[in-house]
Amino acid sequence: QKEVEQNSGPLSVPEGAIASLNCTYSDRGSQSFFWYRQYSGKSPELIMSIYSNGDKEDGRFTAQLNKASQYVSLLIRDSQPSDSATYLCAVRYGGFKTIFGAGTRLFVKA
Amino acid sequence: GAVVSQHPSWVICKSGTSVKIECRSLDFQATTMFWYRQFPKQSLMLMATSNEGSKATYEQGVEKDKFLINHASLTLSTLTVTSAHPEDSSFYICSAPPTGVNTEAFFGQGTRLTVV
Repeated sequence: QKEVEQNSGPLSVPEGAIASLNCTYSDRGSQSFFWYRQYSGKSPELIMSIYSNGDKEDGRFTAQLNKASQYVSLLIRDSQPSDSATYLCAVRYGGFKTIFGAGTRLFVKA
Repeated sequence: GAVVSQHPSWVICKSGTSVKIECRSLDFQATTMFWYRQFPKQSLMLMATSNEGSKATYEQGVEKDKFLINHASLTLSTLTVTSAHPEDSSFYICSAPPTGVNTEAFFGQGTRLTVV
């Protein structure tokens, strides 16, 4: 069974610090990886997508992918209280089916 | 960007009744849609894959007779929760797959179902 593992947290960081979120996945053949942010009671919102090994930066967010280690991470620089949410790691398999991790709750303290 | 519209955004129903949730792709055709369920403080769990013109494919442990999925057109998939019970209360979200290989999926706004 395909799995996506995340530390459920909560992860608490002070405002302005770097938040580091990690995710591992079980299917070595996976090709597409995503980080979603979800506020309570809302649908997930795409933060980053990454498809090849290495780093991908977008503003304060950097996604890192290491397919050999089956590991994906998300760094949030200069964390803001508005970044407080649950972050879901998602992995897409064949047929465009997407499996989500349990999510990591992030709290950014002002 | 592509938009997926889900309706209703919330619904309260009595135990034993059925509830229908609609998922529409507004500016593109979707031969496949995915239905997820999310319980409080848990992640999205894939329930089933909705296929236009054919039967839905259900994930292990999901009762197909309880969660009826119909994908009658290229822009509409419906999920009907039949004989709803309080334990069916959850957040239901539909998703349309990406239009290309290295693109993201699109999610509906979600439906909060409360069965009383």
